[in-house]
Order: sequence, then structure tokens, then C-alpha cells
Amino acid sequence: NAGVTQTPKFRVLKTGQSMTLLCAQDMNHEYMYWYRQDPGMGLRLIHYSVGEGTTAKGEVPDGYNVSRLKKQNFLLGLESAAPSQTSVYFCASSFRILTGGVTDTQYFGPGTRLTVL
Amino acid sequence: QKEVEQDPGPLSVPEGAIVSLNCTYSNSAFQYFMWYRQYSRKGPELLMYTYSSGNKEDGRFTAQVDKSSKYISLFIRDSQPSDSATYLCAMKILTNTGNQFYFGTGTSLTVIP
Repeated sequence: NAGVTQTPKFRVLKTGQSMTLLCAQDMNHEYMYWYRQDPGMGLRLIHYSVGEGTTAKGEVPDGYNVSRLKKQNFLLGLESAAPSQTSVYFCASSFRILTGGVTDTQYFGPGTRLTVL
Repeated sequence: QKEVEQDPGPLSVPEGAIVSLNCTYSNSAFQYFMWYRQYSRKGPELLMYTYSSGNKEDGRFTAQVDKSSKYISLFIRDSQPSDSATYLCAMKILTNTGNQFYFGTGTSLTVIP
């Protein structure tokens, strides 16, 4: 059971280049999330998905697109990278249990460090 | 005003000290409260989870929630160098469409041997 994995771990892009970050989970979680973490800003939600084939915007969605074609995968795309997108990106997943409970909490991947020059 | 406020620190204590980490929040609708620990260059991992006012203890860690004051705390007893990490508080609201999570900015803790 690998939990949540992210690919790649590190990446350097030039301004205007595109790339896709891949998140995979093997816990059969319905919900998946993409966050970015910047110093002094904490974790900010970019996009999330409540199930296969669905996506929704989070707090800071501009400049990013996502897709959830398979339940276990959640892709984050940058079409035209900007230096402001230099950050550490975390993927997370959770069960969809509306009554709450500890099993409803989020499990995070190890992160992708992205630098845009 | 941010939904969740957390003092970023950094906080430096000697080994064996009691550590107190705190967060305040503004939304009384928050129902569930969590503490995550994040080691350098790693993803956050769940440390404590609680949904009611009062204390919850797990080994050397105690999570405290005061809903009337909108204030949560994490206490670490007999702190160890391995506790050196960033601690994130998080809160959750259950909605009709699912869960909304809100995170603090994290407090950096260093335990000096």
C-alpha cells in the first residue's frame, strides 16, 4: 500500500513551458485535492475532485487545469508556467464520508518542488 | 481575516520541554479539528484529530479544543529532537457536497538536544 504518490519529485521549467503533475492513490479514496504550499501562506487549495470525472475550483485555481479520468489518478496541468507558480505542490486524498470521522481526513503525498525561471 | 490563524514561529525549545502550539479560527461552523506534522521536504501527516471541545490525549501529545473561544492547542510533553518539524492546524466543515478543509500556515518547531 503506497498511499499517495506524486510524480515528478522535482522540476525546473522556463517561463511559458507546460507540464503535468501526476498524483496517484491506492486507497480507493473518492476525493482528491491539489494544494500549493508557499512560505508564510500555508497550504492553499488549487483544485479538487469529488469523484472520477469531476473537478472543482479551489482557492487559487488560475493558471492551472486538472483532470480526473480515473478514480486513482488526479492530474494537475500548467499550460504556460509563470515564475509565480514556483512552489511546492501537494496532492491529497480522502474518503467521502459526510458524517465525518478520522477516516475522513486527508492523506498527503510527498510533494513536487517546482521552480519556474 | 484568514479563516485560520497560526503563529509561524519559529519556536526553539530544549529537549524535554513542554511545547504549546496554538491556532485561532473565525468560523464557528468548523466542526472537526486536526493537527498535522510536516517534516522538512515531506508531505503533512495526520497527528491528532478531534471533533469536540475538551482534551484528547495520544501518548506525549494532547490536543485541546475550546469552541467557545475558537481556539485550539497542541501540547507536546517531554519533547524530543525527532519532534522537530512544522506543525499545521487544520479544520473541516461538512457540507452537502463534501468536506472543506482549512489550514493554518504552520509553526516551525526545533527541539534542541
